[in-house]
Amino acid sequence: AQSVTQLGSHVSVSEGALVLLRCNYSSSVPPYLFWYVQYPNQGLQLLLKYTSAATLVKGINGFEAEFKKSETSFHLTKPSAHMSDAAEYFCAVSLTGTASKLTFGTGTRLQVML
Amino acid sequence: EAGVTQFPSHSVIEKGQTVTLRCDPISGHDNLYWYRRVMGKEIKFLLHFVKESKQDESGMPNNRFLAERTGGTYSTLKVQPAELEDSGVYFCASSQGITGTSGGYNEQFFGPGTRLTVL
Repeated sequence: AQSVTQLGSHVSVSEGALVLLRCNYSSSVPPYLFWYVQYPNQGLQLLLKYTSAATLVKGINGFEAEFKKSETSFHLTKPSAHMSDAAEYFCAVSLTGTASKLTFGTGTRLQVML
Repeated sequence: EAGVTQFPSHSVIEKGQTVTLRCDPISGHDNLYWYRRVMGKEIKFLLHFVKESKQDESGMPNNRFLAERTGGTYSTLKVQPAELEDSGVYFCASSQGITGTSGGYNEQFFGPGTRLTVL
């Protein structure tokens, strides 16, 4: 079984500030980990994924995440927030990569202030 | 290339009525998934089709929910009769089959969702 915990349902940052969205996972086997983003009135879009290769994963729009097995974490970061980053972000885990259901966290809504 | 599409985008029905949601996956994608997000909670898996076969339906809440994927193309999710707790956003996602793997992972592409409100 697997589960995901996202700390903070809402995060506010100033434009240009560091973005840090937290995700901790629980998995009985080495996991595949993902961050998805949902902009208003759109579907979920894959930001980045960890599939047991490099522990530091770079994604789209300047986001990156680091897989830390000892901490069972996969936090999402971006050095400098932009207004266009305002959206809801979801961390997810799956047991395999080929065809497996995703288990999501509750989501974190990111607000970016001027 | 068209993405995953879902219809309708919104549906408001009364308790006891029937609603059918439709999902059109990306052409050629064998895997089709249904997920649901109840307000304020996590997105939860409902079921997974491989072509026209149900691979995993462990997330289906109860027998009021019926999913079909005739011919292995589009899928429908019927709720009959609808209850208040069925309200939420229903997402569909699709991914390639095993032969389409890339780096050991088949990305799931999500549709925009159907917002269902049961009054």
